[in-house]
Amino acid sequence: GAVVSQHPSWVICKSGTSVKIECRSLDFQATTMFWYRQFPKQSLMLMATSNEGSKATYEQGVEKDKFLINHASLTLSTLTVTSAHPEDSSFYICSARPSGGARETQYFGPGTRLLVL
Amino acid sequence: AQSVTQLGSHVSVSEGALVLLRCNYSSSVPPYLFWYVQYPNQGLQLLLKYTSAATLVKGINGFEAEFKKSETSFHLTKPSAHMSDAAEYFCAVIPNAGGTSYGKLTFGQGTILTVHP
Repeated sequence: GAVVSQHPSWVICKSGTSVKIECRSLDFQATTMFWYRQFPKQSLMLMATSNEGSKATYEQGVEKDKFLINHASLTLSTLTVTSAHPEDSSFYICSARPSGGARETQYFGPGTRLLVL
Repeated sequence: AQSVTQLGSHVSVSEGALVLLRCNYSSSVPPYLFWYVQYPNQGLQLLLKYTSAATLVKGINGFEAEFKKSETSFHLTKPSAHMSDAAEYFCAVIPNAGGTSYGKLTFGQGTILTVHP
């Protein structure tokens, strides 16, 4: 149980285009999901906290207009990188906290590798 | 703010040798502490966590970690390394308090473990 999937697993796009990444909790409901970014040879950095039915909360320095987050259901959150540029190339990982679960519980997706040319 | 420091970005051991990965945290209130493992191009897998119960925590794959409040440490150990343990390991914390950091994981820089035959 407690499986989180991400789609796509990797994507290559041209500079200036938008890319949508999906994060799904497959066998549980998740009121809260988190989006992380991991640059090569670096640690994971929290970008934003996604809450079902409300606006996402972005960490300092993360542009909310560039990284659009939608958490329309209890099993799906999407991250859209708008007008992507090469510096947005990174590994994007989501995690999901089961609804009603303890705050220390998060299940991670396998990640999405984005390459912007 | 919470911070996590992993001493040593790379650790190399021989197969069968002791594995010791170091993690120190900074917090006036002991946080919840975690160790995650990441294999290449994959998401994170939880190895173990400390949530203010027993200070010696046993996890999967033979790993364990000991919470030492006096040293603000949560080092990860395994008595005998296997080739399959080669991966990157992340220490992480969640504040044991409310506020804006509620439920948010902060990761250390990561330690790459190499296991030699």
